[in-house]
Amino acid sequence: KNEVEQSPQNLTAQEGEFITINCSYSVGISALHWLQQHPGGGIVSLFMLSSGKKKHGRLIATINIQEKHSSLHITASHPRDSAVYICAVLSYNTDKLIFGTGTRLQVFP
Amino acid sequence: KAGVTQTPRYLIKTRGQQVTLSCSPISGHRSVSWYQQTPGQGLQFLFEYFSETQRNKGNFPGRFSGRQFSNSRSEMNVSTLELGDSALYLCASSLTFVVTSGRTSSYNEQFFGPGTRLTVL
Repeated sequence: KNEVEQSPQNLTAQEGEFITINCSYSVGISALHWLQQHPGGGIVSLFMLSSGKKKHGRLIATINIQEKHSSLHITASHPRDSAVYICAVLSYNTDKLIFGTGTRLQVFP
Repeated sequence: KAGVTQTPRYLIKTRGQQVTLSCSPISGHRSVSWYQQTPGQGLQFLFEYFSETQRNKGNFPGRFSGRQFSNSRSEMNVSTLELGDSALYLCASSLTFVVTSGRTSSYNEQFFGPGTRLTVL
């Protein structure tokens, strides 16, 4: 079993839909990242969380440390949101980032 | 501020050769981390450097090595290339390394470069 699990693996949506991507982890963490990767490979860090909730524009990230679970929400999705979204946790014990396998999101007009 | 730059962007090598990849961090950033991304294994941590010292290392064979220079620029080297080394190699820079205290981490956000796509034939 992977230490970081994401669901769903693939997600398609119509423009304007509300989207949720989930991340569960089994290790103790110091922080959790949500990353966005567009075709071509470039990775952008969307959020870094250690507790609670953060919001940037249409993106909201939440984390529940007790349940070892985080969610990334996209409100009013847009075709430009189409990308792979990756959850990564910073292991408390090893100081290393452990990555989920990613969620491929396609938003159609 | 210029972002993280990686050179070369694309590289084709043959089995048995060795390769050196370069990463220039954002000005003022002193920590550089390297990651390998493959379709089968996803993203995996290779190593992290801070002030010219390797601070942390992932589970990769000794053929993978790296170093950091006094200006924080970093290089990674892969010797005796294998077909399975074909991957996107990403580096990321941050202001400093991780400091953990209880459940709170003074963790600085990492900024990723565009990656070097290595193909081993």
